Amino acid sequence: GNSVTQMEGPVTLSEEAFLTINCTYTATGYPSLFWYVQYPGEGLQLLLKATKADDKGSNKGFEATYRKETTSFHLEKGSVQVSDSAVYFCALSDGGGADGLTFGKGTHLIIQP
Amino acid sequence: DVKVTQSSRYLVKRTGEKVFLECVQDMDHENMFWYRQDPGLGLRLIYFSYDVKMKEKGDIPEGYSVSREKKERFSLILESASTNQTSMYLCASSSTGGYGSPLHFGNGTRLTVT
Repeated sequence: GNSVTQMEGPVTLSEEAFLTINCTYTATGYPSLFWYVQYPGEGLQLLLKATKADDKGSNKGFEATYRKETTSFHLEKGSVQVSDSAVYFCALSDGGGADGLTFGKGTHLIIQP
Repeated sequence: DVKVTQSSRYLVKRTGEKVFLECVQDMDHENMFWYRQDPGLGLRLIYFSYDVKMKEKGDIPEGYSVSREKKERFSLILESASTNQTSMYLCASSSTGGYGSPLHFGNGTRLTVT
C-alpha cells in the first residue's frame, strides 16, 4: 500500500533560519503530492501541491519539488518566521478514488524569536 | 473560498452516549471525509462518501457510522461513545476533479468522552 514518511519533530529553529522538512513516499503509479499546514486550534489547510515529476509547488515562501527518482517531496523555506510555527503534513493522492489520500504523521515546527 | 463548517469546536460526552458530529460544506463538493487526529498517529480515515447516500469505510470505521442525506452535509455518529474515542475529529471535502484535487478541512471538533 501507499505510505508517507516524514520527520515528526518537534523541529525547533530560530527566526530567519533555513527550513527543510523531509518527506519520502511509497506509491504505485504517479501520485500527486501535497503539503498541508495546521496552525494551533485550526484544521489543515493546503500549503502547496505538485502533480507530476519535477513540478515545483510554492506558496508563502515555501517550496517543494516532486522528485520521482528519490520518491521525495521535501519542504523548504529560506527564512522562517515565528508565524510559521505549526504542524506540517506531507500527503499523496494516487488517483484511486475518493479514498486515495495518504498522510504522513505530521512534523511539529517551532520557531523561536 | 471553500468553507467547511463543523458544528462544535468542543464536546464533552459520557460513556455510552450517542454522539453526532455535523459537517457542512458550501462548495458543492462530491467527496466528504471524516478523520480523527491523535498525537503520534497522525490523521486516520474513518469514513468517506463520494455521493449522497453513499459511504465507504476508511481505515478505522469500528464504533462509528455516517450519514449523508444531502450533498452538503456529512454526519459522523458514535453509537455508544467510549473513552478511546476521545480525539480531535476533522471533516474534509473535495471535488471530483482528478487526483490533484486537494482536501478542504474544517477546524475540527475536540471530543472528550468521560
